[in-house]
Amino acid sequence: DQQVKQNSPSLSVQEGRISILNCDYTNSMFDYFLWYKKYPAEGPTFLISISSIKDKNEDGRFTVFLNKSAKHLSLHIVPSQPGDSAVYFCAASVGNQFYFGTGTSLTVIP
Amino acid sequence: DAEITQSPRHKITETGRQVTLACHQTWNHNNMFWYRQDLGHGLRLIHYSYGVHDTNKGEVSDGYSVSRSNTEDLPLTLESAASSQTSVYFCASSESALQETQYFGPGTRLLVL
Repeated sequence: DQQVKQNSPSLSVQEGRISILNCDYTNSMFDYFLWYKKYPAEGPTFLISISSIKDKNEDGRFTVFLNKSAKHLSLHIVPSQPGDSAVYFCAASVGNQFYFGTGTSLTVIP
Repeated sequence: DAEITQSPRHKITETGRQVTLACHQTWNHNNMFWYRQDLGHGLRLIHYSYGVHDTNKGEVSDGYSVSRSNTEDLPLTLESAASSQTSVYFCASSESALQETQYFGPGTRLLVL
């Protein structure tokens, strides 16, 4: 059973606008959440993370929001750039075990 | 620079053959992981290791094995390759502490005919 879900397989956004990628999880024991970015023929690369004791973490154009009561995680990219076009995976961990969503393919249109 | 590498990057094999995929990291990380990526499933954990001589089964371990004889390497063996094991395989490593990020290798694309 999928413990981490990304219900939108794809998303298209105009350059300069905000991209919002969503992720839901079922296990309330998860205490660390991450977003990874993946380009074709490459491994996933770490983008941003958030601990369960926080509800927001920012790094430049990227902000991750955590709503523990809703078991929901989102990644905001502002402003979106064509180089952000990639597949984005959310992940959640408990201990040293990580669980990944199925990914959302983001296309930023110039 | 420290890194994590996988070899081969592409492999074609036949059903029933034994295949070994290599993973090597130079970060001196204790934790190493193998995942497979399939359409509609995201990344699924196959096996993982928390240190030398330690190995554990993940979500989709059937038909796979690993061994950890040193810190740097965690080879993944498909004992008798099946067409259902056609996939992209990623190795990852992380520090031992909790809430540490996993760092991924570039992946191995395996085709089982």
